[in-house]
Amino acid sequence: QVQLQESGPGLVKPSETLSLSCTVSGGSISPYYWSWIRQPPGKGLEWIGHIHYSGSINYSPSLESRVTISLDTSKTQFSLQLNSVTAADTAVYYCARVGYSNYNYQYMDVWGKGTTVTVSS
Amino acid sequence: DIQMTQSPSSLSASIGDRVTITCRASQTTSNYLNWYQQKPGKAPKLLIYAASSLQSGVPSRFSGSGSGTDFTLTISSLQPEDFATYYCQQSYSSPRTFGQGTKVEIK
Repeated sequence: QVQLQESGPGLVKPSETLSLSCTVSGGSISPYYWSWIRQPPGKGLEWIGHIHYSGSINYSPSLESRVTISLDTSKTQFSLQLNSVTAADTAVYYCARVGYSNYNYQYMDVWGKGTTVTVSS
Repeated sequence: DIQMTQSPSSLSASIGDRVTITCRASQTTSNYLNWYQQKPGKAPKLLIYAASSLQSGVPSRFSGSGSGTDFTLTISSLQPEDFATYYCQQSYSSPRTFGQGTKVEIK
């Protein structure tokens, strides 16, 4: 079955760039959307954005000026970059597959285990 | 953006209780509404999609209903493994948005 695994540094300095990857195993990148979601300590879930296998991308307006999501189909990986980070970006970052059914119902049906990123000097 | 508001924010219940969680959207999401369960230290797990469709492998004690702006997640008979935080999420438009969560605790 499809599995997702996040990877990347667990500690990032303020003002620097957070970079994470999500490796997809056991399945294909197409024809899905692939999402990034984060969860600050003790708080709820925040959607960051998603990318379609065709390359179409949507971002959260609150992060759009700092975020880039990309897809490497040859490596069955997708990535997140978040620029100019502050302590407010400290969170568990999850990657997820966006499944779909008839009438284009979309839902995040496969999740990675999450990776903790701390922003601190 | 569509704002999602869950109520209550937390509740205490006993094993065997019927539990209902409500999610209200700031504008219509038709039935493009999903429910997730999250246990401490774990990733969220999809329970319900399209407001009322049960995800494969999820016990039938979980059910969802509603359309438009008002939705409900019901657990018909609460089991020990159901103590967790539950989130609704709309997939009607971008940006996708989540409710703030409802924590279900043991009474």
